[in-house]
Amino acid sequence: SQKIEQNSEALNIQEGKTATLTCNYTNYSPAYLQWYRQDPGRGPVFLLLIRENEKEKRKERLKVTFDTTLKQSLFHITASQPADSATYLCALDNSGNTPLVFGKGTRLSVIA
Amino acid sequence: NAGVTQTPKFRVLKTGQSMTLLCAQDMNHEYMYWYRQDPGMGLRLIHYSVGEGTTAKGEVPDGYNVSRLKKQNFLLGLESAAPSQTSVYFCASSYGDEAFFGQGTRLTVV
Repeated sequence: SQKIEQNSEALNIQEGKTATLTCNYTNYSPAYLQWYRQDPGRGPVFLLLIRENEKEKRKERLKVTFDTTLKQSLFHITASQPADSATYLCALDNSGNTPLVFGKGTRLSVIA
Repeated sequence: NAGVTQTPKFRVLKTGQSMTLLCAQDMNHEYMYWYRQDPGMGLRLIHYSVGEGTTAKGEVPDGYNVSRLKKQNFLLGLESAAPSQTSVYFCASSYGDEAFFGQGTRLTVV
């Protein structure tokens, strides 16, 4: 069966440390993988997209890696801040031109 | 630009009542989606549309109908609401990859 798994429901880290979130998938062949941020009571907001032929993508303090052999994406937030506290969702298509399928999310708490 | 706007934001229905959720986008996107989000279940796709006049079923379509008569609008209907349809509903639109979400509709069926 097809699955998208995010490594943990919740992750607590100290301010200033790097947060690393994991997204693993099974029985999908995504053309790309995306990461979204969701704050309580709000809709998800797009952060980064990485394509199957890209190994790494960066945007300010965010970094995403994509390993199609391991079927895994890692999402890093460096120098984390309390304002980074939110739920982070990974999402992928299935061979392109299909609706996004989402993981259940990881709730990140950055503690000052 | 307003982006993606959902109406209403909150609603309480009695079992068996019907209602329509409206989603409007002003970005000229071809693709539109309805998801529901439940605790511990993540976002699950109900129905989607790849263009005006087209609709398709997602992962959890039962009990819902949709229509896309105009490119900018995507309507989600509940013909006979059930308590299992208590959820937060999100509409999204995209031009192919990045999705833009509305603020959500919190629906409670009692």
